[in-house]
Amino acid sequence: GAVVSQHPSWVICKSGTSVKIECRSLDFQATTMFWYRQFPKQSLMLMATSNEGSKATYEQGVEKDKFLINHASLTLSTLTVTSAHPEDSSFYICSAGQGAYGLAYEQYFGPGTRLTVT
Amino acid sequence: TQLLEQSPQFLSIQEGENLTVYCNSSSVFSSLQWYRQEPGEGPVLLVTVVTGGEVKKLKRLTFQFGDARKDSSLHITAAQPGDTGLYLCAGFLRTQGGSEKLVFGKGTKLTVNP
Repeated sequence: GAVVSQHPSWVICKSGTSVKIECRSLDFQATTMFWYRQFPKQSLMLMATSNEGSKATYEQGVEKDKFLINHASLTLSTLTVTSAHPEDSSFYICSAGQGAYGLAYEQYFGPGTRLTVT
Repeated sequence: TQLLEQSPQFLSIQEGENLTVYCNSSSVFSSLQWYRQEPGEGPVLLVTVVTGGEVKKLKRLTFQFGDARKDSSLHITAAQPGDTGLYLCAGFLRTQGGSEKLVFGKGTKLTVNP
């Protein structure tokens, strides 16, 4: 089956610093990658949709200048949390899809990255 | 406002019992998925239902999509401790731009006691 990896699996950073999270599709080419955030006891919330070679589409309420997304290749997307604050502490999960542009079918989820900002 | 309401939020049962988890919405979804998520891991897809009224079976798990494609249920027969986990429903919503996004419910945390 399709495998998606994330790195790092957990990270602790100081307030004001930036953190980069990588999402890789290991055995398939992902035309679209999705970034989600999950707070404790909450559901996964879509942050942005990333298409290879184009700008990411952010959901309402998600600051695009704070959460920088780069989808430079068909197997790699990165999320950079800039000037992180404690309220950014969360579980960040990516997923990768093989479907046509903009379609969310056949998403394969990564194992998630636990970010703690102190 | 939660677009997909799951109930119950928590469920603790004994091994061998049956259970049903519900996923309801006032919105119509083009299709709906059920996932299982373990602590500290990403969700794993269990099933996708597409047609209103559709019923799918996966061993002891039975999934049903409502006729109006607004709700779904997951029924587990003879639950086992290995079924313990967080069960999430997620629906595909078509955006104004024509793309689709996946919207998740809050999940049902199931504990099956031996």
